[in-house]
Amino acid sequence: DTEVTQTPKHLVMGMTNKKSLKCEQHMGHRAMYWYKQKAKKPPELMFVYSYEKLSINESVPSRFSPECPNSSLLNLHLHALQPEDSALYLCASSRNRGPSTDTQYFGPGTRLTVL
Amino acid sequence: AQSVTQLDSQVPVFEEAPVELRCNYSSSVSVYLFWYVQYPNQGLQLLLKYLSGSTLVKGINGFEAEFNKSQTSFHLRKPSVHISDTAEYFCAVSEGTGTALIFGKGTTLSVSS
Repeated sequence: DTEVTQTPKHLVMGMTNKKSLKCEQHMGHRAMYWYKQKAKKPPELMFVYSYEKLSINESVPSRFSPECPNSSLLNLHLHALQPEDSALYLCASSRNRGPSTDTQYFGPGTRLTVL
Repeated sequence: AQSVTQLDSQVPVFEEAPVELRCNYSSSVSVYLFWYVQYPNQGLQLLLKYLSGSTLVKGINGFEAEFNKSQTSFHLRKPSVHISDTAEYFCAVSEGTGTALIFGKGTTLSVSS
């Protein structure tokens, strides 16, 4: 099973709301990733977790707050977002973070709209 | 610094025709190369990858790619496309010392009958 699941599929929120995106994998992968993808653009890396610890933060604004409660779960907490944050948020996982050759498996994404 | 260039932003083809999607990379060290496909309103799915060994790599759905070190290219090919191949295709690279995937800007493949 190479499935990464993400919930919700769609999310509409106001600029004052607090919401969370959830990602789950049961492949025993120890590295998990959040990407942001704008329309007709490639995915951009936001965060990397390795063994449940944050290892990469690509200078993402603090209104995005990641959390890795356990090795299977990855959350992205959202607060005070701006309309330009509207995008497809993709989660991915790989066996390890170390080797560059580990395939990253992507979830279907959460389509976020900020009003 | 590594980078990926996908030379065509859009490729329209007719069903059953062959197709080539071009990808060039720049890197000063050994690279690992990937092609991902993204169908409308879906996440990314790995088509194939080059890590080492044979320069001709076969992937899913009848796609293949050839790694050419001298031309720093990793072009994706399919001898006969189907309507269902209509999607966005991303070439990506990672270096030996890093883990981040660097994506190209993508190529939209549109297959019509």
